[in-house]
Amino acid sequence: QEQLVESGGGVVQPGRSLRLSCAASRFTFSSYNMHWVRQAPGGGLEWVAIISPDGRNKFYADSVTGRFTISRENSKNMVFLEMNSLRAEDTAVYYCAKEKGYCSSDSCYYYGMDVWGQGTTVTVSS
Amino acid sequence: DIQMTQSPSSLSASVGDRVTIACRASQSISRYLSWYQQKPGKPPKLLIYGASNLQNGVPSRFSGSGSGTDFALTISSLQPEDFATYYCQRTFNTPHTFGPGTKVDIK
Repeated sequence: QEQLVESGGGVVQPGRSLRLSCAASRFTFSSYNMHWVRQAPGGGLEWVAIISPDGRNKFYADSVTGRFTISRENSKNMVFLEMNSLRAEDTAVYYCAKEKGYCSSDSCYYYGMDVWGQGTTVTVSS
Repeated sequence: DIQMTQSPSSLSASVGDRVTIACRASQSISRYLSWYQQKPGKPPKLLIYGASNLQNGVPSRFSGSGSGTDFALTISSLQPEDFATYYCQRTFNTPHTFGPGTKVDIK
């Protein structure tokens, strides 16, 4: 069964950095777009970022643009989220998720996230 | 950016009830709309993609409809395991915004 396992969460002071990792297994990782999604305590889901299968195309939510960077290492079946200049409002459970859709030679088709990790908790507090 | 809204924000229902949750996009998103179910302490689970396509393994009592700006998730006969929070999500271009969620609890 397809699996995603996040790691790297923890407690960090405002203004500091943290790097989240997500290990994928049991699917052809290099063929799929990958997402990060977060959920603040007691809150709803917030889409954070997406990276294309080859890692060349990356898109971000306005709330994290310029502070967060998504990347991937296909040889290791890993996706990462580098988070800088962290704020209290970044406190959340962070999930990585596999995009169900696919990319053809000229377009990508997005159908939602069909595989999710269990999440890793990030707390930004002094 | 395209905004997503859901109604109601919460509802109380009984086992066996038919339940419908609405989702609206501020601009047309064609049929690029997904629905998720989330239970406390668990990651979301994809139920419906492409507005009306049932994800593998999801019971047939779940169905999705709509296109353009107005969508709906219907549970034809609510089961005890269906009490959860449901989210819609646009998947047409980025950002892949989620709706605010609808909590379904026991009457």
